[in-house]
Amino acid sequence: GENVEQHPSTLSVQEGDSAVIKCTYSDSASNYFPWYKQELGKGPQLIIDIRSNVGEKKDQRIAVTLNKTAKHFSLHITETQPEDSAVYFCAASIGGSYIPTFGRGTSLIVHP
Amino acid sequence: NAGVTQTPKFRVLKTGQSMTLLCAQDMNHEYMYWYRQDPGMGLRLIHYSVGEGTTAKGEVPDGYNVSRLKKQNFLLGLESAAPSQTSVYFCASSQIRLAGVGEQYFGPGTRLTVT
Repeated sequence: GENVEQHPSTLSVQEGDSAVIKCTYSDSASNYFPWYKQELGKGPQLIIDIRSNVGEKKDQRIAVTLNKTAKHFSLHITETQPEDSAVYFCAASIGGSYIPTFGRGTSLIVHP
Repeated sequence: NAGVTQTPKFRVLKTGQSMTLLCAQDMNHEYMYWYRQDPGMGLRLIHYSVGEGTTAKGEVPDGYNVSRLKKQNFLLGLESAAPSQTSVYFCASSQIRLAGVGEQYFGPGTRLTVT
């Protein structure tokens, strides 16, 4: 089955800095890569996703890049703000499967 | 739309007691999931359902049972609670898109403590 590794487990940055979270996956058949943000006391919520036919996707201050050859994808947050503090999860889904495989999460702390 | 709702939000059980967690979604999604979240372990899939009347085991199904009698509801049961089942439980739903699996919508979670 698919295996997703996520790093780092904790990331601490100053407000205004950039933050990068990286994930690797094992199954080349994976074709959907979502990123979820979980604020304290809430359920995860999708913030951005990318499919295997696209190398990069941006939405304002967040972007995701995908390298299919190396089997890794990354979340980039620019100009971080305190409200970006949360746990971020990456996931990978194999085409035709109902079950995404999640990374273990990254706790992002943005210091004012 | 309320999205995905979970009942109850908090619960404390004694070892050996039973309980049912209820998940409801109003988005007409076919797929529903139950996860547990423990510190440092991420989200682990307990059971899932690909449609009304169907259920399947996930990564950590032992000690849990599920039912999907109606499309909008997915119930998670603990027959005899154990301290190892102390966790935060999340329900999620999703709809398959043309290119494959779509995004999951998560509920707010149920915090369960077993003493």
